[in-house]
Amino acid sequence: GAGVSQTPSNKVTEKGKYVELRCDPISGHTALYWYRQSLGQGPEFLIYFQGTGAADDSGLPNDRFFAVRPEGSVSTLKIQRTERGDSAVYLCASSFSGVEVTEAFFGQGTRLTVV
Amino acid sequence: GEDVEQSLFLSVREGDSSVINCTYTDSSSTYLYWYKQEPGAGLQLLTYIFSNMDMKQDQRLTVLLNKKDKHLSLRIADTQTGDSAIYFCAEKEGSQGNLIFGKGTKLSVKP
Repeated sequence: GAGVSQTPSNKVTEKGKYVELRCDPISGHTALYWYRQSLGQGPEFLIYFQGTGAADDSGLPNDRFFAVRPEGSVSTLKIQRTERGDSAVYLCASSFSGVEVTEAFFGQGTRLTVV
Repeated sequence: GEDVEQSLFLSVREGDSSVINCTYTDSSSTYLYWYKQEPGAGLQLLTYIFSNMDMKQDQRLTVLLNKKDKHLSLRIADTQTGDSAIYFCAEKEGSQGNLIFGKGTKLSVKP
């Protein structure tokens, strides 16, 4: 596709359940980022992939959060034992390279609501 | 750690200029950005400036960078109702390239 695609666009889940959020980056982009945007806040960095490996996962809030990118393209953010505080918009972005390139392109986000 | 601060609200009349201000803490940031977010929409990159520049102009947008004071501003000339949105300032974290965002400034444009 032409842009970064995130699915689903909305997800409502019950507290304690497991969820997976998917990101399809722009073809050829090696760098992929996940951010979380809570209501009234700016996006907060979660994890950065360069190719298949997680180059920096320092933003993941705890061990309930995990992300993979097994073939260096599509990425999945996984949240175990969801809590109401996990409710937020999860944004994915991709770029050709992490450092040298100026622009990362963002997807529309997945709005996660934990009830 | 790195931090980006910006005022939360700005209200202007249509046709006036808007100036949105931002301060950041990481002096090693290579690029600084302005993103626009409309209700229910994703983040749209408006413009960016390289850290060795003082000013960048792009049509109605003017970015000013004071590196000594770590202060960034976005000026929108002839503000229109369609400019109503939340504007985020962001700095690029040096080693990995991820962005550090401010909380956003909500711009309201009154006709």
